[in-house]
Amino acid sequence: NAGVTQTPKFQVLKTGQSMTLQCAQDMNHEYMSWYRQDPGMGLRLIHYSVGAGITDQGEVPNGYNVSRSTTEDFPLRLLSAAPSQTSVYFCASSFSGPRNEQFFGPGTRLTVL
Amino acid sequence: AQRVTQPEKLLSVFKGAPVELKCNYSYSGSPELFWYVQYSRQRLQLLLRHISRESIKGFTADLNKGETSFHLKKPFAQEEDSAMYYCALSGKGNKLVFGAGTILRVKS
Repeated sequence: NAGVTQTPKFQVLKTGQSMTLQCAQDMNHEYMSWYRQDPGMGLRLIHYSVGAGITDQGEVPNGYNVSRSTTEDFPLRLLSAAPSQTSVYFCASSFSGPRNEQFFGPGTRLTVL
Repeated sequence: AQRVTQPEKLLSVFKGAPVELKCNYSYSGSPELFWYVQYSRQRLQLLLRHISRESIKGFTADLNKGETSFHLKKPFAQEEDSAMYYCALSGKGNKLVFGAGTILRVKS
């Protein structure tokens, strides 16, 4: 099993550009989530999903969209990138919810100029 | 609201010394608390959870509801314990909230 995979590993964007961060898992997990990691602020929840077709907002959802058309995939879209979105983004999945062990992807380092 | 506070950004100890990483939380119900760890060049991973009440790699953590704390302890630090440690809380709803993290540096 590959576990949780994320692409790309690194990305540089210009302000105003859009892009999609990909996340996939092959463990048949129902719960998936996106976090951003910033120095001094820890991990902050952006969006999460409890199953295909169901998504909800986390602590810092503004500027990001998600969809969950399949159990395996949970892409994160930046609509119009801003320098404040420069961060490391982590995708995670678990069997059924936040109280189960979360399995994290390797992260995507995004820089917005 | 669910909130996790880790007051120390960096904790530096000598090898063999005791370690205590502090975690305080704010939640009115019965939370589930976790410690996650990120070693250098590795993925973030679960270290332990309060309901299992087990010791992992010599680390233990006890949930103190009176003090709303879940401190992580190890009696004798080892160099391989150097990492970023995150305390996390799951309360009502489907969110897992993390603290700001503490870097543990174990010096030889």
